[in-house]
Amino acid sequence: ELKVEQNPLFLSMQEGKNYTIYCNYSTTSDRLYWYRQDPGKSLESLFVLLSNGAVKQEGRLMASLDTKARLSTLHITAAVHDLSATYFCAVPDRFKLTFGKGTLLTVNP
Amino acid sequence: SAVISQKPSRDICQRGTSLTIQCQVDSQVTMMFWYRQQPGQSLTLIATANQGSEATYESGFVIDKFPISRPNLTFSTLTVSNMSPEDSSIYLCSVELGTYYGYTFGSGTRLTVV
Repeated sequence: ELKVEQNPLFLSMQEGKNYTIYCNYSTTSDRLYWYRQDPGKSLESLFVLLSNGAVKQEGRLMASLDTKARLSTLHITAAVHDLSATYFCAVPDRFKLTFGKGTLLTVNP
Repeated sequence: SAVISQKPSRDICQRGTSLTIQCQVDSQVTMMFWYRQQPGQSLTLIATANQGSEATYESGFVIDKFPISRPNLTFSTLTVSNMSPEDSSIYLCSVELGTYYGYTFGSGTRLTVV
């Protein structure tokens, strides 16, 4: 059974600081997805990582995938308040997604 | 990319009643997925809906409680039956847009059972 572990589950950051969220998964997969969820809202797709070594960047967020280590990272650079949200990684198992527990990110002034 | 319309966006229901949630996709898709997100939790897959066949349910979810219809390639419904307060959650439908685009989600249905 595929297991997806995220850490940390809670992250309180100061504006301007950098931090990384980690996502480990238990079985072989060459794809991984990152989502953002604002309170009371649905999931917004952030990154689609499709191969080993994939790196994608959007604004202050950068995601990478190491399929050999079964690890993905979501790096936050110079955090701003607008990044406050819950971030989920998800790994496909055949056609269905298994999600990590999510990281609740709070960026404080 | 495909757009998913999900409704209702929220509802407050009495225990013992049922609620049907609808998802409409603006393009044809083979599989549609239904997820539950309990308060403060991650997403858990309820079932996969294929057109023309019975839905495939995940462990812990049964058809009598969560009947699903998939009458065509753009539409699906999930019914939450005989509701109890424990069914209070956000329910989301999802489709895969293709390898390069990943999975997209409907806007969600926030259900409160009183």
